[in-house]
Amino acid sequence: AQSVSQHNHHVILSEAASLELGCNYSYGGTVNLFWYVQYPGQHLQLLLKYFSGDPLVKGIKGFEAEFIKSKFSFNLRKPSVQWSDTAEYFCAVNARGFQKLVFGTGTRLLVSP
Amino acid sequence: DAGVIQSPRHEVTEMGQEVTLRCKPISGHNSLFWYRQTMMRGLELLIYFNNNVPIDDSGMPEDRFSAKMPNASFSTLKIQPSEPRDSAVYFCASSLASWEGEVTETQYFGPGTRLLVL
Repeated sequence: AQSVSQHNHHVILSEAASLELGCNYSYGGTVNLFWYVQYPGQHLQLLLKYFSGDPLVKGIKGFEAEFIKSKFSFNLRKPSVQWSDTAEYFCAVNARGFQKLVFGTGTRLLVSP
Repeated sequence: DAGVIQSPRHEVTEMGQEVTLRCKPISGHNSLFWYRQTMMRGLELLIYFNNNVPIDDSGMPEDRFSAKMPNASFSTLKIQPSEPRDSAVYFCASSLASWEGEVTETQYFGPGTRLLVL
């Protein structure tokens, strides 16, 4: 069975700082990878996804993530965060050919102005 | 498109009462998922349907929980009787799954129902 680890539970940054949130998964086969964001009081929204092709994926709002297969990682990055990026970020994975999506425990990001 | 629609948005009830949560998936989507989000356990998949048929209900906590999808545009999640430990945010998500080759799809989430059982 797949599992997803997000090691940073809480991250506090100042505006304009760079962001990197870690995500590691455990599964030996081919996977699809996702990052979702949940702004305070809102539902989950898709930030970006990786199915195949270029391992560097660009998403909305200036976010990007890189799939490193050898490290089973899919870390999320943003070069310069804004106060409006304050939210909870979830990494998720599903095994290719299966629909069940497994989520990490989430990382709460607080960006101070 | 209106996106995934859930109702009610908030529900406060007393222990022992029946609770019914409703979901309307995005039109044309053929898969529907129910999730529960709590501080302690994060996001958990409860059950999902393909073409209105339940595929995997292994995440349903116990017999007090049941889910139905009578047609492609409507699903319910029922808790009877409800208990305080059921308090959580319940999300519904839908996707368009293709089985031609490998399954690659994105799930789109509704706004959630915040349930409080007193």
